[in-house]
Amino acid sequence: GAVVSQHPSWVICKSGTSVKIECRSLDFQATTMFWYRQFPKQSLMLMATSNEGSKATYEQGVEKDKFLINHASLTLSTLTVTSAHPEDSSFYICSARERTGDTGELFFGEGSRLTVL
Amino acid sequence: GDSVTQMEGPVTLSEEAFLTINCTYTATGYPSLFWYVQYPGEGLQLLLKATKADDKGSNKGFEATYRKETTSFHLEKGSVQVSDSAVYFCCTGTASKLTFGTGTRLQVTL
Repeated sequence: GAVVSQHPSWVICKSGTSVKIECRSLDFQATTMFWYRQFPKQSLMLMATSNEGSKATYEQGVEKDKFLINHASLTLSTLTVTSAHPEDSSFYICSARERTGDTGELFFGEGSRLTVL
Repeated sequence: GDSVTQMEGPVTLSEEAFLTINCTYTATGYPSLFWYVQYPGEGLQLLLKATKADDKGSNKGFEATYRKETTSFHLEKGSVQVSDSAVYFCCTGTASKLTFGTGTRLQVTL
């Protein structure tokens, strides 16, 4: 099946710094990518929907200035956690959809674990 | 909003045992239901899905039936293998917006 890759798979940073996580679709063009956050023993929570060439749509309660999402090409979306704090420590997962519309299957990245000290 | 409740793990089974992972959901309208699987070190993969009531999704020996009357989508497999060890997520929604359960870790031993 299609492959979605995230980088880095884990990152440790100091409080107050910014961290960028990349999500790439390796063998298909993704018009839409999704970013999720997963806390330990909890379900994946959708943070935002990213459409290539346009602004991301954030879910209620997600700070758009805190979690900057850029989807500049059909194969790459980035999530930047700005001025990270320990409460931002989490597992971040992206997914990508191959076709336009609502019928394309979602393919998930391996996830990126962020630890803020 | 939509919600999904699935049984807490971990579930530990011996190889060739029967597996059931319970999942119930609340949702408006007529959502699709999915099971995703995450093997160690990999991303989530779609295991099976059902798009309407009474549909049965199946793949790799796993099955789940969309039961609207009980709002359930229980995952079953008749004989598990060590290679089935993974975390299983029940989901409801559309390809645009999925609501996930908390995941159930399955550990299969020899």
